[in-house]
This record gives sequence, C-alpha cells and structure tokens, in this order.
Amino acid sequence: GQQLNQSPQSMFIQEGEDVSMNCTSSSIFNTWLWYKQDPGEGPVLLIALYKAGELTSNGRLTAQFGITRKDSFLNISASIPSDVGIYFCAGQPSVGGGSEKLVFGKGMKLTVNP
Amino acid sequence: GAGVSQTPSNKVTEKGKYVELRCDPISGHTALYWYRQSLGQGPEFLIYFQGTGAADDSGLPNDRFFAVRPEGSVSTLKIQRTERGDSAVYLCASSKSWAGVAFFGQGTRLTVV
Repeated sequence: GQQLNQSPQSMFIQEGEDVSMNCTSSSIFNTWLWYKQDPGEGPVLLIALYKAGELTSNGRLTAQFGITRKDSFLNISASIPSDVGIYFCAGQPSVGGGSEKLVFGKGMKLTVNP
Repeated sequence: GAGVSQTPSNKVTEKGKYVELRCDPISGHTALYWYRQSLGQGPEFLIYFQGTGAADDSGLPNDRFFAVRPEGSVSTLKIQRTERGDSAVYLCASSKSWAGVAFFGQGTRLTVV
C-alpha cells in the first residue's frame, strides 16, 4: 500500500539535544498528523495540522504543515529519555473517495542516551 | 470507554484456521478504522466504517478478510484460512467523525504458525 517517505529512519542522540524529522509525499494531503508509538502499544497522537503553512507547538514539540501540502516536519527540543520510541507521520488525503483513511510513513526510531 | 479497547492482545493460531479480532471504540465515536502493521513498518489501512456500514474497504488484501460493525459500535475483523503472511499487529482506531482525529487501541498481535 501507499506510504509516505519519512526520514531519517533512526536517530541516536544525547539527552538535551534537539531532533528533527520530516515526511514527504508525491500527493497532496488535507491533514498531517504526527504519532508516537511505544513497544506493544498503539500510536498516540502528538500533533495534528490542518492548514497549509500551519506551525503548531505542543510543549517541546513543534510541527509544520508544508506550504505545498506535500510535506511536514516535526521537531523535538531538549530531548529527554522518555522521548524514546518510534515516531510516525500520517497524512489524510484531500477530500474525495476514501479520503478518511490515514497514510503512514515507515517511522523514525529515536534513541536518547542519558 | 476511556479509550479504544482491542481483544485479544495476542493471538497465536495455526495456518488455515479462522480468527476473529474485536475492537471496542471510544463511546460516541461514529468512525472506526482497522489497520495492519507489519514489523518495522507503519500501519496500513484495511477498512473504514461510518456507523454500521463499511464506507471504504479498499485496503482489505483479499476475500479472506472481512469486518463487521452490526450495531455501529463494536467491530470484529475476521480472517479465514489464515496464512503465515497474515502475522502482524492489527490496530483499531476510532474518531468522532470521518474528519476527526483517530485514536488507536493497543493492537492485537496475530501470529500464524
């Protein structure tokens, strides 16, 4: 099935460092979402973006909806050990048949060394 | 309930057997989704319900897979004649409406041996 291009695939950082990740698509999305998944759990929503160009923050997290509607990025500032996990981007296609489903990236595995 | 609940959390079955996976969505959520997540991959869409009807089943891989939501709440994903390639985590999500944010359950890990 269709998946977004998410990069990097993994990152190893020191506690306190910032980390950035992004997602790109060949098609336009109506909504961009960022999820975090811990082992044995389902994805948990971090940030939702609804308008092209929108920049949204949630604590130490900042995400942007690209102006072309084909990309998004997520920044985590001042990382802490509990930021460890897999981060997924997800896009909801433009309104039209089957647009309700989410298309996910492959995920970015984050390791934070204390 | 407080969140999306999926049962069982783990299921091991023999190749060729039939399995049912259950999803209890968040109370009041009309939209319900099933996704499948293979190891090292992001979730992939299977089917979407709005109320009792399957509004989009384009992600079901073949006719061995079927899902129902007879009363617009609980949903069951049914897999016939299971194959080893069906092994994955099956995730259920629900949202207030088709445009709402989707909240996920913890998933059912299916292993076909």
